[in-house]
Amino acid sequence: DAGVTQSPTHLIKTRGQHVTLRCSPISGHKSVSWYQQVLGQGPQFIFQYYEKEERGRGNFPDRFSARQFPNYSSELNVNALLLGDSALYLCASSSIVHNTGELFFGEGSRLTVL
Amino acid sequence: AQSVTQPDIHITVSEGASLELRCNYSYGATPYLFWYVQSPGQGLQLLLKYFSGDTLVQGIKGFEAEFKRSQSSFNLRKPSVHWSDAAEYFCAVVPSPGFQKLVFGTGTRLLVSP
Repeated sequence: DAGVTQSPTHLIKTRGQHVTLRCSPISGHKSVSWYQQVLGQGPQFIFQYYEKEERGRGNFPDRFSARQFPNYSSELNVNALLLGDSALYLCASSSIVHNTGELFFGEGSRLTVL
Repeated sequence: AQSVTQPDIHITVSEGASLELRCNYSYGATPYLFWYVQSPGQGLQLLLKYFSGDTLVQGIKGFEAEFKRSQSSFNLRKPSVHWSDAAEYFCAVVPSPGFQKLVFGTGTRLLVSP
C-alpha cells in the first residue's frame, strides 16, 4: 500500500511568490495535517483537516491556507513568501480525527525561499 | 509555558552500547506522549506511544520508553544500539486529547560510532 505522498519534493521560490504543496493521504485516511519543520527544530503544527473541514490551526499567519478535497487529498498554500518560510513541509494522515492514534508522515516538501 | 524539552541536541553512542534519550514536558495534565524517528530524506516514523496504563512502553525496532509522572519525563531507551539507529529522534505530546495537534521537541540527533 502506498504511504503518504507529497509533491513536489523540492522547490525553490523567491520572496513574494506563492507556493502550493500537495499531499495524498494513505488510502482510507480521512484526516490530513500539515507541519512546518525549520532546520534544527521540531515540526510545528499548521493545520488539520478532517472530512474536508478545518479542525485545527496552529500559530501561523493568514498567508498560510489549506484545503482538503473530496478524495481527502490536501493542498497547502503559502502566499507572499518570506525567507523565513524556508522549511520542510510535512503532511501526515490518520484514520481518526482525535489524535489517540498514529500519524503517518510523508517525506516532505523542502521549500527554499531566496 | 507549555513545552516539550529534549535537553540533548546531539548524542554519540558506540555500536552495541545502551542508549537513553531524555524528554521532559510541562503540561498540567498527563498528555498523550510519543517518540518519532526521522532518518535523512525520510518522513517521521512512530516508534512508540503512551496514553495510560503500564508506564513502560514497548515500541518498534527494540525501543522502549518509561513514563515518570513525578518527573514529567518520557525517556526513550534501547539496550543495544545498531549503526542503523543513527537518526534524529523527536519526543512529541498531544496536550489536549480530542484535538489532533502534536507538539514536538527540538529533537536529538543520534550518532553511532563503530
